[in-house]
Amino acid sequence: SAVISQKPSRDICQRGTSLTIQCQVDSQVTMMFWYRQQPGQSLTLIATANQGSEATYESGFVIDKFPISRPNLTFSTLTVSNMSPEDSSIYLCSVSVSSNQPQHFGDGTRLSIL
Amino acid sequence: RKEVEQDPGPFNVPEGATVAFNCTYSNSASQSFFWYRQDCRKEPKLLMSVYSSGNEDGRFTAQLNRASQYISLLIRDSKLSDSATYLCVVNRPGGSQGNLIFGKGTKLSVKP
Repeated sequence: SAVISQKPSRDICQRGTSLTIQCQVDSQVTMMFWYRQQPGQSLTLIATANQGSEATYESGFVIDKFPISRPNLTFSTLTVSNMSPEDSSIYLCSVSVSSNQPQHFGDGTRLSIL
Repeated sequence: RKEVEQDPGPFNVPEGATVAFNCTYSNSASQSFFWYRQDCRKEPKLLMSVYSSGNEDGRFTAQLNRASQYISLLIRDSKLSDSATYLCVVNRPGGSQGNLIFGKGTKLSVKP
């Protein structure tokens, strides 16, 4: 399966700042997604990253807070903007070949906001 | 009813034991079902897909009951390395493309 690399693996940030997380895949993939996993919780889908167009956001997530780019079929970024302590979480990208196939995850970005 | 609901756990079992996890899902139109494994502080990894006829992969057996909207995972001859959280995952029909719903997971701890 594809090798999925996320950067940074972890960061500690100040309240009010923004951080961009990168997701790089070693092969072209049809679908890329961004998830959040808060402490002790399961994964929640933030958005589907669409190549060459605006991401599709899930209920409760907005572009101003979580802008996403996907310039090509192997790379995507998620920015967490104007961070607050409530944004402390693990952020994960995942990829899939089609909508009914399983997704494979990057190793995640552990984010703490002070 | 939650979209995906799992046994709360934790399950504490001795090595060699057989353990079963259950999962129910609310949307009868769901078509794709998976079990993932997540180790502490790691990303989820696909353990196996779940097919209508049931399927087996070594010590792991997954079963699907569409009528009851129920999925199970059976682990035989548990190993210490099986200790992890097991996530039941179901697709959400009609949602965004590839939208998977993750259960909260069942924690398994295999003891020597």
